[in-house]
Amino acid sequence: QKEVEQNSGPLSVPEGAIASLNCTYSDRGSQSFFWYRQYSGKSPELIMFIYSNGDKEDGRFTAQLNKASQYVSLLIRDSQPSDSATYLCAVRGGYNKLIFGAGTRLAVHP
Amino acid sequence: GAGVSQSPSNKVTEKGKDVELRCDPISGHTALYWYRQSLGQGLEFLIYFQGNSAPDKSGLPSDRFSAERTGGSVSTLTIQRTQQEDSAVYLCASSLRERAAGSNEQFFGPGTRLTVL
Repeated sequence: QKEVEQNSGPLSVPEGAIASLNCTYSDRGSQSFFWYRQYSGKSPELIMFIYSNGDKEDGRFTAQLNKASQYVSLLIRDSQPSDSATYLCAVRGGYNKLIFGAGTRLAVHP
Repeated sequence: GAGVSQSPSNKVTEKGKDVELRCDPISGHTALYWYRQSLGQGLEFLIYFQGNSAPDKSGLPSDRFSAERTGGSVSTLTIQRTQQEDSAVYLCASSLRERAAGSNEQFFGPGTRLTVL
């Protein structure tokens, strides 16, 4: 079992819809969770982080964390074509490294 | 201020040659990371430097890989006797000092695309 698992997609949603991206992790002791967005040929950029159970909202983005079920999700409301990218889930392993999932490719079509 | 910079942006080499990849972190960032991203894959952790502490080398895939960080700033990742499976994008990131349950953002450089023929 991989440490961080994501559906590779592509996840295709129409413009204006809600995109739901999911991630599960294996280390129950994990403390911090991150969502990065990566456009094709570009480096990852941080969208959100979360470390408390529940929801965290930032503009059109909402991160949801359920430590008991070991999953973290990212909701994108009012999806735009510019949101089309690969979304990487990452879990902090100890003090230092981030353990990344393989990413989910999101395609928002007009 | 300037972000994380990496050089070269692209490197094509022949199997068996050594390569050096450079990373210049954001000024003031004490933590520096190297990751590798193969085509269509997520990021694979390689090595982590924090200040003057011993680096965490747990992600280095073989003893052909090594990295150093001089003066707490610039870092060089060296791959000796390159193999075709080393072909990937090598990403460097830096952040402020990490905290146990912290959220210090890792800022990524543009990466070096390495192709081993």
